[in-house]
Amino acid sequence: DSGVTQTPKHLITATGQRVTLRCSPRSGDLSVYWYQQSLDQGLQFLIQYYNGEERAKGNILERFSAQQFPDLHSELNLSSLELGDSALYFCASSELTSRSYNEQFFGPGTRLTVL
Amino acid sequence: LAKTTQPISMDSYEGQEVNITCSHNNIATNDYITWYQQFPSQGPRFIIQGYKTKVTNEVASLFIPADRKSSTLSLPRVSLSDTAVYYCLVGWNTGNQFYFGTGTSLTVIP
Repeated sequence: DSGVTQTPKHLITATGQRVTLRCSPRSGDLSVYWYQQSLDQGLQFLIQYYNGEERAKGNILERFSAQQFPDLHSELNLSSLELGDSALYFCASSELTSRSYNEQFFGPGTRLTVL
Repeated sequence: LAKTTQPISMDSYEGQEVNITCSHNNIATNDYITWYQQFPSQGPRFIIQGYKTKVTNEVASLFIPADRKSSTLSLPRVSLSDTAVYYCLVGWNTGNQFYFGTGTSLTVIP
């Protein structure tokens, strides 16, 4: 158990809909990261937040957005869903981005299926 | 960008030592090298990290030559439960540390 929690575990929805994925980082971790993993794309970095502020951006679509709240939990919002958005979405957390190493602790993931 | 190159797959017999090499020719001075392990439908798990020479922990060793253009993850006496995908990441606070690439799929054979 990494200490990172994600809800829901599974999500099934239809094209065009909007969903929200939730992540609670490990206690004390200020950084939260979101990744998307699909069969044909591998593990893709989406976005990173540090203490409420966006820190780094990866291959995140404009239809997707994220935020980190004062209690440090984070939400990933996916809108206008398409079939290709079906994937495993992982959240990870780490202590501080300025440390000499960047060990990320990954949650169990949310499996999104768009029908 | 310090992109990485790893073998796509490897097979090994149980009890053998496995070495997985990662090439990172464009590694920057401040970049660290980090290895993760991922089982199917689970999030990656940190294995080991290093900057130069050799690092060892309870599960693996990481060998980094002086030019740092490659690194080798060494798993001693693998078991069936080590069957997983192994990712090499290079970077520190530059965004590169988030590039997982395709990884190396290790299959341990009884």
